Amino acid sequence: ETGVTQSPTHLIKTRGQQVTLRCSSQSGHNTVSWYQQALGQGPQFIFQYYREEENGRGNFPPRFSGLQFPNYSSELNVNALELDDSALYLCASSGTGLGETQYFGPGTRLLVL
Amino acid sequence: GDSVTQMEGPVTLSEEAFLTINCTYTATGYPSLFWYVQYPGEGLQLLLKATKADDKGSNKGFEATYRKETTSFHLEKGSVQVSDSAVYFCALLPNTGNQFYFGTGTSLTVIP
Repeated sequence: ETGVTQSPTHLIKTRGQQVTLRCSSQSGHNTVSWYQQALGQGPQFIFQYYREEENGRGNFPPRFSGLQFPNYSSELNVNALELDDSALYLCASSGTGLGETQYFGPGTRLLVL
Repeated sequence: GDSVTQMEGPVTLSEEAFLTINCTYTATGYPSLFWYVQYPGEGLQLLLKATKADDKGSNKGFEATYRKETTSFHLEKGSVQVSDSAVYFCALLPNTGNQFYFGTGTSLTVIP
């Protein structure tokens, strides 16, 4: 069974640029959630994708957008990067049962200069 | 709204000491409760979970009991090891929602 993988592991961008982060879900999982973890904080929910549709969104502006593909992998896109976007971005996959555990990838650490 | 309040750290213990990390929650209905652990430079790993009141989750010597009457899910371990040094996150998943709510994390350092 393959776990959740994310790429790249690290990324440096400058303010105003755009970034795309990628996630492959765990085998058998069809739901992907994205979280932002600022330094010293707990993860904050960005959004979730289920069967290629957005299925819930946290308190993040529209410049945070995503996609899910037929193989259930997913992308997180952030436009017009700001300094405060510097964080660890975590992807988690799960099944669709009630109370399903989310399994996290290792994360992508983004630094915006 | 739904939220998790977690004991602030950092916590430093000697090897073989007893560990308690407090976690309380606010939620409507009957959420599922989780403890995740994050080792330096890594993502979150599920440590244990409980899905209904009075359930006890356990794994690797860690335990936590879902207490509805006190809205708590405290993490305990009887004898910590140096390898337990990490950041621990309490989280809840509402029974009608799809997003996890995490606490701010508690950093644990175990010294030999």
